[in-house]
Amino acid sequence: LAKTTQPISMDSYEGQEVNITCSHNNIATNDYITWYQQFPSQGPRFIIQGYKTKVTNEVASLFIPADRKSSTLSLPRVSLSDTAVYYCLVGDSGRGRGSTLGRLYFGRGTQLTVWP
Amino acid sequence: DTGVSQNPRHKITKRGQNVTFRCDPISEHNRLYWYRQTLGQGPEFLTYFQNEAQLEKSRLLSDRFSAERPKGSFSTLEIQRTEQGDSAMYLCASSLGTGSNNEQFFGPGTRLTVL
Repeated sequence: LAKTTQPISMDSYEGQEVNITCSHNNIATNDYITWYQQFPSQGPRFIIQGYKTKVTNEVASLFIPADRKSSTLSLPRVSLSDTAVYYCLVGDSGRGRGSTLGRLYFGRGTQLTVWP
Repeated sequence: DTGVSQNPRHKITKRGQNVTFRCDPISEHNRLYWYRQTLGQGPEFLTYFQNEAQLEKSRLLSDRFSAERPKGSFSTLEIQRTEQGDSAMYLCASSLGTGSNNEQFFGPGTRLTVL
């Protein structure tokens, strides 16, 4: 299983754009890159998923270079309520030989703190 | 609210007692997962069900742990002879298990404290 490395913590101010980069040098061909957000005393919440290039939704953008060995989660104009732990995960969706059956492997994540 | 519910939300027990947690997933989801999370760490995978079949158990799941999903709907996680090291947040998640999406919907968790 591909291991991910991301910063332990980041600080930002309200209204700024935040970019959190994750490295996954051993990503497999079938692996997708998925980001989750977790607030204290809550379960993680899916933010965004991508395979290559760029994916954008109403919450964030995910940039994936051609070699897929890293990815960057971009949060535009953060607010205080974006203070949370952000997890980068790689894995397949449960299909194909050697599948991880969709189970997720979380690291320690990145604690993002947004200041007023 | 993701639609996944867990009960109880908090459980305090004495070492050696048995505890059981319940998870009600989103009704049409055929996959159900249990994770455990300790302070400062990300969730760790414990076990996985597809419908009523338990397809995988992590090595973290000792013989004192058992999980069931008898009718492919709700699931229970039982810990026998609890130890202080079992203190953690126990998270349940569900997913549709189709397509290429790794989106799992997590419940609020059950926080277990073993005294």
